[in-house]
Amino acid sequence: RKEVEQDPGPFNVPEGATVAFNCTYSNSASQSFFWYRQDCRKEPKLLMSVYSSGNEDGRFTAQLNRASQYISLLIRDSKLSDSATYLCVVNSLPQGGSEKLVFGKGTKLTVNP
Amino acid sequence: DAGVTQSPTHLIKTRGQHVTLRCSPISGHKSVSWYQQVLGQGPQFIFQYYEKEERGRGNFPDRFSARQFPNYSSELNVNALLLGDSALYLCASSWGLFSSYNEQFFGPGTRLTVL
Repeated sequence: RKEVEQDPGPFNVPEGATVAFNCTYSNSASQSFFWYRQDCRKEPKLLMSVYSSGNEDGRFTAQLNRASQYISLLIRDSKLSDSATYLCVVNSLPQGGSEKLVFGKGTKLTVNP
Repeated sequence: DAGVTQSPTHLIKTRGQHVTLRCSPISGHKSVSWYQQVLGQGPQFIFQYYEKEERGRGNFPDRFSARQFPNYSSELNVNALLLGDSALYLCASSWGLFSSYNEQFFGPGTRLTVL
């Protein structure tokens, strides 16, 4: 089982649509969770940190379910500028090992006019 | 303020050669981490350095090594290059360790091609 698994995508949606991305992680000792956004041929940039209580930033809502080891990202009222690859990121503390940051494969979103 | 800078931007090497990639973090950041990203995949963690000490290592062979200097800049070294080492190498800096919800600020990357 991969440490971080995301919806394979790609997602193609019209402007104004609501789209949800899902992510699961395997290490129950993980302590911090993020969604990063990566535009084509660019570096990843932080979109949102994901906290246990859930958090919202404008059109973006992130949720964390520690019991199910599941993270989600909801984008409402999609804009053309939301087209990018969305990366689920989890810090991992393997038993007996050192801390590391694990990225999912990414889910590509294209918002169409 | 300057962001994370990496050099060189592009590099072409042949199998068996050695390469050194460089990274300068955002001023004040004490943590630097390195990632390998192949096309169609998410970044894969290679190393984290914090206060000049290695604090984390991913599943990469010993051909990969790194260090962090007193000014917090960092180098990633790869020996005996293989074709499979061709990738985008990303450096990220942050205030502290991964577990503290510290945002990783990424540089533009170095694109390495091994022929």
